[in-house]
Amino acid sequence: SQKIEQNSEALNIQEGKTATLTCNYTNYSPAYLQWYRQDPGRGPVFLLLIRENEKEKRKERLKVTFDTTLKQSLFHITASQPADSATYLCALRGYAGNKLTFGGGTRVLVKP
Amino acid sequence: DAGVIQSPRHEVTEMGQEVTLRCKPISGHDYLFWYRQTMMRGLELLIYFNNNVPIDDSGMPEDRFSAKMPNASFSTLKIQPSEPRDSAVYFCASTTGTYGYTFGSGTRLTVV
Repeated sequence: SQKIEQNSEALNIQEGKTATLTCNYTNYSPAYLQWYRQDPGRGPVFLLLIRENEKEKRKERLKVTFDTTLKQSLFHITASQPADSATYLCALRGYAGNKLTFGGGTRVLVKP
Repeated sequence: DAGVIQSPRHEVTEMGQEVTLRCKPISGHDYLFWYRQTMMRGLELLIYFNNNVPIDDSGMPEDRFSAKMPNASFSTLKIQPSEPRDSAVYFCASTTGTYGYTFGSGTRLTVV
């Protein structure tokens, strides 16, 4: 069966450091992958989209890589700030239809 | 744009009662999605529409759940009869093409 796995353990990181999150998938051929941020009591907010033929995408302090051979995406937050504390979700979409399947998310806590 | 609007924000109901959740997508978005989020199962897709037509309802848990989209600016998710295991946060999201989704703030449903 299709699986999307993110580290369920919270990531505690010092302000100014780089946070790196992992998204692994199995039994899936994604057309593209997306990353979202979710704050408590709020809906997920779209951050970045990377297509299966792209290796890397950047947006401000965020960087996403996509390795379809390893079936893995890495999400980096550089120069992290306490305001970056949230849960980060990866989501994959296949070639048919337009539905996103989400991973379980990883909580990030940036300490000042 | 006010974003995706969901109502109510919170709903507490007794087991066996009918519950109706409402969603207004972003104007111009031709896809609408209903997701359910719980601690145990994460974010699960229930159903999605394209141009008001249901495309994939394979995530709807059982016949007690139904969803409609009578026009491009309104959708409902109905649970009848409700059960305690339906307690969750229900999100509506909309998008156009292959872009990121815009989620609403969700409806927290508690069935007692």
